[in-house]
Amino acid sequence: GQNIDQPTEMTATEGAIVQINCTYQTSGFNGLFWYQQHAGEAPTFLSYNVLDGLEEKGRFSSFLSRSKGYSYLLLKELQMKDSASYLCAVRDSNYQLIWGAGTKLIIKP
Amino acid sequence: EAEVAQSPRYKITEKSQAVAFWCDPISGHATLYWYRQILGQGPELLVQFQDESVVDDSQLPKDRFSAERLKGVDSTLKIQPAELGDSAMYLCASSPGTSHTDTQYFGPGTRLTVL
Repeated sequence: GQNIDQPTEMTATEGAIVQINCTYQTSGFNGLFWYQQHAGEAPTFLSYNVLDGLEEKGRFSSFLSRSKGYSYLLLKELQMKDSASYLCAVRDSNYQLIWGAGTKLIIKP
Repeated sequence: EAEVAQSPRYKITEKSQAVAFWCDPISGHATLYWYRQILGQGPELLVQFQDESVVDDSQLPKDRFSAERLKGVDSTLKIQPAELGDSAMYLCASSPGTSHTDTQYFGPGTRLTVL
């Protein structure tokens, strides 16, 4: 079966750095997405990786290793507004998005 | 910036009643998705449209759920009759197409509560 694993919850301190990991087992691979979702709101697109390596976008970076079935989202200079759930999703061989359950990130002052 | 529109934002209904949700995708986006998301879980695809055609509705409970996109633009998702277990967030998303680089953009969602 297809599976995406993320930690359920993480806690970090304002101003610090946090890394949210995602491992996946899917039938085929056509890209990996990270979305941010604030409580009660819809997911918003953060990043897309299809080749191995690091993609940097401001305070957020996303890394992919296809051979290891692994990705991480790195958030730097954490702000209170970064408190949200972070969803990892993989596009499989049928171009369907397989979603993880999300990682709830709690930022403390 | 173009956005996906959804209405209503919130809906409270009693079980056995009918409910309907509306979605207007980003202009020019050919692909439209309806998802259901239960608290603490990732989105679950209910139905995917390419223009006016259904591409995937394998996870849609067809005995009570129906979806249409008659003119290939806006879409309606209906539940009849609603059950207690249908309480969830219903999300609509759209993308330009279905290539591997196409990103899905979500509307604000409809929070359904079935009493």
